[in-house]
Amino acid sequence: DTGVSQDPRHKITKRGQNVTFRCDPISEHNRLYWYRQTLGQGPEFLTYFQNEAQLEKSRLLSDRFSAERPKGSFSTLEIQRTEQGDSAMYLCAWGNPDGEQYFGPGTRLTVT
Amino acid sequence: GQNIDQPTEMTATEGAIVQINCTYQTSGFNGLFWYQQHAGEAPTFLSYNVLDGLEEKGRFSSFLSRSKGYSYLLLKELQMKDSASYLCAVRDIPGGGNKLTFGTGTQLKVEL
Repeated sequence: DTGVSQDPRHKITKRGQNVTFRCDPISEHNRLYWYRQTLGQGPEFLTYFQNEAQLEKSRLLSDRFSAERPKGSFSTLEIQRTEQGDSAMYLCAWGNPDGEQYFGPGTRLTVT
Repeated sequence: GQNIDQPTEMTATEGAIVQINCTYQTSGFNGLFWYQQHAGEAPTFLSYNVLDGLEEKGRFSSFLSRSKGYSYLLLKELQMKDSASYLCAVRDIPGGGNKLTFGTGTQLKVEL
């Protein structure tokens, strides 16, 4: 148990559709991260929240991507007008002050 | 920018010792992390080095040389369950939100 759950675990969608993923830290953690991982690659940073404030966004996060953490607890990641290149594992992680990050089980997205 | 290199694949024998190397060239450095990732699962935190030297954690040890931009993960008494991908990651400079930049991972296969 890494202290974070993600929903759904798997999502299959057609190109052009919108999808939303949710991340729930089991207990309240200030720092929350989203990463994306494609096959054969390491996770790539997408965005970072400290409490409800989105403090950093990667250039990977195009205009079609948006993330929120409205009350500083759970977070959502939305992808609009999905493309086949969006197919990946989307990972949420919480971080402690030392910088260690603990990942949730991930949401595997397949865009057909 | 960040550049992190690790071997793509390694094979070792059950009961043996294996060393997985990681070299990095980064614009900022505030710690190096190792993660284990089994196929289809999320990365699991293994170790963290911010100062030079060896950190030991049971069968796993990690070494860091900041002047050489070099780290290794040492796995002792290998077990079949250690077959996984091992990811090296560098933490950004302070103030960068502690985001991690990952290498592509080293796929370790443990054989009888």
